[in-house]
Amino acid sequence: NAGVTQTPKFRVLKTGQSMTLLCAQDMNHEYMYWYRQDPGMGLRLIHYSVGEGTTAKGEVPDGYNVSRLKKQNFLLGLESAAPSQTSVYFCASSGAGVNIQYFGAGTRLSVL
Amino acid sequence: SQQGEEDPQALSIQEGENATMNCSYKTSINNLQWYRQNSGRGLVHLILIRSNEREKHSGRLRVTLDTSKKSSSLLITASRAADTASYFCATDGGSSGSRLTFGEGTQLTVNP
Repeated sequence: NAGVTQTPKFRVLKTGQSMTLLCAQDMNHEYMYWYRQDPGMGLRLIHYSVGEGTTAKGEVPDGYNVSRLKKQNFLLGLESAAPSQTSVYFCASSGAGVNIQYFGAGTRLSVL
Repeated sequence: SQQGEEDPQALSIQEGENATMNCSYKTSINNLQWYRQNSGRGLVHLILIRSNEREKHSGRLRVTLDTSKKSSSLLITASRAADTASYFCATDGGSSGSRLTFGEGTQLTVNP
């Protein structure tokens, strides 16, 4: 049982490049989330999804897009990367009932 | 802005001592959770306390909740070097699938 898997684990981009981060969960969870973690700022919610085919904005959605075409996958896209998007990105999922979230190992992204 | 604020930001203790971390929040909640993050890893759920509970135990963990003061504390008894990690509180003010709001975390170092 892998839980929540994020790919890639590391990535370096140049300003203006695009990329997609993939999150996959094998727990049949309805809810999925993308966070970014910056030093001294805890986790901030970027976008989330309450079910297949649905997405919603979180606290810091600008510059990011997401898609949830399959229940087990949640994709985070950066269309034109900026240095301010240098961060560690975490995906999480949770099932019905109490919102206990299960996290992936993270993706470290540097934008030069 | 973050709902939760942890105190202290950093804590260094000797193995065998107890560690206490505090969390304050601003709005009413359904429940409060504590998560642990080891260096370079994702967050792991530790314990959840509901708004109608005052104290909860799980192994060496003891969590208290004071809704009148909008605060919670996490006590780790008889700490071990393996407890070295960052600890985050997270609040949930809505129904299942609603967003969690994380604090900025307390970095705990347990010296052998």
